[in-house]
Amino acid sequence: AQKITQTQPGMFVQEKEAVTLDCTYDTSDQSYGLFWYKQPSSGEMIFLIYQGSYDEQNATEGRYSLNFQKARKSANLVISASQLGDSAMYFCAMEDNQGGKLIFGQGTELSVKP
Amino acid sequence: NAGVTQTPKFQVLKTGQSMTLQCAQDMNHEYMSWYRQDPGMGLRLIHYSVGAGITDQGEVPNGYNVSRSTTEDFPLRLLSAAPSQTSVYFCASTGRPYEQYFGPGTRLTVT
Repeated sequence: AQKITQTQPGMFVQEKEAVTLDCTYDTSDQSYGLFWYKQPSSGEMIFLIYQGSYDEQNATEGRYSLNFQKARKSANLVISASQLGDSAMYFCAMEDNQGGKLIFGQGTELSVKP
Repeated sequence: NAGVTQTPKFQVLKTGQSMTLQCAQDMNHEYMSWYRQDPGMGLRLIHYSVGAGITDQGEVPNGYNVSRSTTEDFPLRLLSAAPSQTSVYFCASTGRPYEQYFGPGTRLTVT
């Protein structure tokens, strides 16, 4: 069965510093996708970044990058130059090879300190 | 282009009542799904649909029914609400390549 594990319930980071949020996954599929979402206190799910299992390059979107290590089955999110507005819950998720269905981790609450 | 819309935003039900959570998308996506989010947890898949007339169960389908008569709409029905169904419900619509669009959510309380 597919599974996503986020082992950091909460993280603190100083403003303007970089932070890494951990995500490991388990799947027997060869083709899959990995996502990171941000959920601020207002509750909406905001897409941050996507990595396909066959993508050779790590995905980047502005200040967000995904450190994809396929052999270790990890897909860590790196946020560079943290901002106060980055304080939120962050969820790692995996999409199976049939597409569409997401399996989520339990999330990491990030707090950015001024 | 409104994306994914959900109604209502908030709802309070009494145990045993029924209701329908509405979800609509205007992106002509074939794939739509419903998730629930309980406090301190990630989202869990309830039901999904790969196109009009086709639905299937996700991880936590008990107590919920769905149907998909059009590409645009994917309502979620609670036949007899229970306190365990108190949660935030998200509808999602999937485009390609692997783009998931979430609605704003419905916060449901069952007393």
